[in-house]
Amino acid sequence: GENVEQHPSTLSVQEGDSAVIKCTYSDSASNYFPWYKQELGKRPQLIIDIRSNVGEKKDQRIAVTLNKTAKHFSLHITETQPEDSAVYFCAASLSGANSKLTFGKGITLSVRP
Amino acid sequence: ETGVTQSPTHLIKTRGQQVTLRCSSQSGHNTVSWYQQALGQGPQFIFQYYREEENGRGNFPPRFSGLQFPNYSSELNVNALELDDSALYLCASSTWGAETQYFGPGTRLLVL
Repeated sequence: GENVEQHPSTLSVQEGDSAVIKCTYSDSASNYFPWYKQELGKRPQLIIDIRSNVGEKKDQRIAVTLNKTAKHFSLHITETQPEDSAVYFCAASLSGANSKLTFGKGITLSVRP
Repeated sequence: ETGVTQSPTHLIKTRGQQVTLRCSSQSGHNTVSWYQQALGQGPQFIFQYYREEENGRGNFPPRFSGLQFPNYSSELNVNALELDDSALYLCASSTWGAETQYFGPGTRLLVL
């Protein structure tokens, strides 16, 4: 089955700097890659996703890049703000029916004011 | 915030007991997936329900079972609770055939 790994496990940045979180996946058949943000005690919130027919997607300060050959994808956050502090999870799945998500273990992002 | 709701928010049970968790999907969604999130870990897929039938199961024993109702809401039942079942249980709703899943707030289960 699919295996998703995230690294690093923690990341601390200064407010205003950029943050990059990387994930690797094992199943070359996976073609849908969402990123979720989870604040303490809250639900995972979808922040951006990408499908395998696209190499990059951007939404304001957040972007995701996908390298299918290397089987890795990354979340880029620019101009970080203290409210970006949270746990970020990457996931992978097949699109279509039976689209179960396989998650990484998460990375704790801390943005220092 | 999504329109996915879950109840109860918290639950304390003792080992060996049974528990039922509930999930109401977002309007327009007909598929519900359940995930278990242990402390400090990513969510793990338990199973998915569509058209009131289980459609795919993760690496969980048969004492984890579920139901889906005609209004697309769903239940997760866990029998013979074990200490390791202590976790946050999340449901996610989606439209069949679409990849995007939206999570509910979760039920935090503590097994003593």
